[in-house]
Amino acid sequence: DVKVTQSSRYLVKRTGEKVFLECVQDMDHENMFWYRQDPGLGLRLIYFSYDVKMKEKGDIPEGYSVSREKKERFSLILESASTNQTSMYLCATRERGGSNEQFFGPGTRLTVL
Amino acid sequence: QKEVEQDPGPLSVPEGAIVSLNCTYSNSAFQYFMWYRQYSRKGPELLMYTYSSGNKEDGRFTAQVDKSSKYISLFIRDSQPSDSATYLCAPSFGGSNYKLTFGKGTLLTVNP
Repeated sequence: DVKVTQSSRYLVKRTGEKVFLECVQDMDHENMFWYRQDPGLGLRLIYFSYDVKMKEKGDIPEGYSVSREKKERFSLILESASTNQTSMYLCATRERGGSNEQFFGPGTRLTVL
Repeated sequence: QKEVEQDPGPLSVPEGAIVSLNCTYSNSAFQYFMWYRQYSRKGPELLMYTYSSGNKEDGRFTAQVDKSSKYISLFIRDSQPSDSATYLCAPSFGGSNYKLTFGKGTLLTVNP
């Protein structure tokens, strides 16, 4: 069973703070993704990584950066949090090849005050 | 035109009803068609997927793809309260392009 864990279920931060969201997977998957999910907007891809130290921008990368120093860990960084980054953040992994299935973590509900 | 359109609902049905959930898409290059289920306060999980056109059945669930009309359907027979969730369609390309394009999701409630 693929296990994807995220460092926090709920997080409250203040405007301007630097925020780190961590995602760890235990299935040796090459690909990892960060999404945000908002009512009425659905799931939107922020960044993804297809290998260690490799990253590509998704559809909404502005205001975010990522880090992938080890295969099992993919971090999302909000350099200076703003209220419009209040959202549910979801991490996902995918094995190279196969059916494109992505395995999701439980999500982090981030509130920026 | 948006890449994937999905009626957000909400959809409320009595237990035992047949449920039909639908998406349309615009990119004819999509080859894999996935349905994810997301329970409240959880991450999405893959329910089933089909490759190219046709039907696929898994228990009470049937996924259907019509590539000629760019229409994706998920049918749930004998719906149960445990089916209450948000259902997201997610078509994708094949090969090395692994990006999923999610519909916004349909919130389904099955009432006992």
